[in-house]
Amino acid sequence: KQEVTQIPAALSVPEGENLVLNCSFTDSAIYNLQWFRQDPGKGLTSLLLIQSSQREQTSGRLNASLDKSSGRSTLYIAASQPGDSATYLCAGINTNAGKSTFGDGTTLTVKP
Amino acid sequence: NAGVMQNPRHLVRRRGQEARLRCSPMKGHSHVYWYRQLPEEGLKFMVYLQKENIIDESGMPKERFSAEFPKEGPSILRIQQVVRGDSAAYFCASSPPREWGTDTQYFGPGTRLTVL
Repeated sequence: KQEVTQIPAALSVPEGENLVLNCSFTDSAIYNLQWFRQDPGKGLTSLLLIQSSQREQTSGRLNASLDKSSGRSTLYIAASQPGDSATYLCAGINTNAGKSTFGDGTTLTVKP
Repeated sequence: NAGVMQNPRHLVRRRGQEARLRCSPMKGHSHVYWYRQLPEEGLKFMVYLQKENIIDESGMPKERFSAEFPKEGPSILRIQQVVRGDSAAYFCASSPPREWGTDTQYFGPGTRLTVL
């Protein structure tokens, strides 16, 4: 059974700092790893998808990496801004099974 | 191309009533997934459907819950005889056919169900 863990559960940083969010998963059968952002009371916004054959993806100030051998993914946010404040979720996708297993998220607060 | 549509966005039901949640996937997408997010918890997988077929319903409660994705029209998540514990945000996601070469799941805005 796939389990996805995100550490830390909450993080508060001053504006401008670089930061790393961690995601670990137990099942090596994970095929893809997807990072999402969720604002309070809102839906999910997909940030980055890393296919199983890839090791990282970049979009603007975001960089996500995937290491299947160690069961870890990281989301790196450069030069954080108050607008980055949200909950960040990672999800392991078993494409054969079709379903995603989500971590409980890291709630990020970036202080001006 | 419109995103994944869900309606209603907010639904209030009294205990014992039925709740019907609708999801229209993105154009061309043939896979639909339903997830539930209980208050202060993460998203939990419920069911995975393709047109007219349930592929995986391992996350669905055994009673009162059902889902369908008919040949025409939106996917429906149906909850019969709702109880207060059903209060949650229900998210739908869709993904394209495998031959498109991407497995990205696109999420709708969710339906927030409140059971009084």
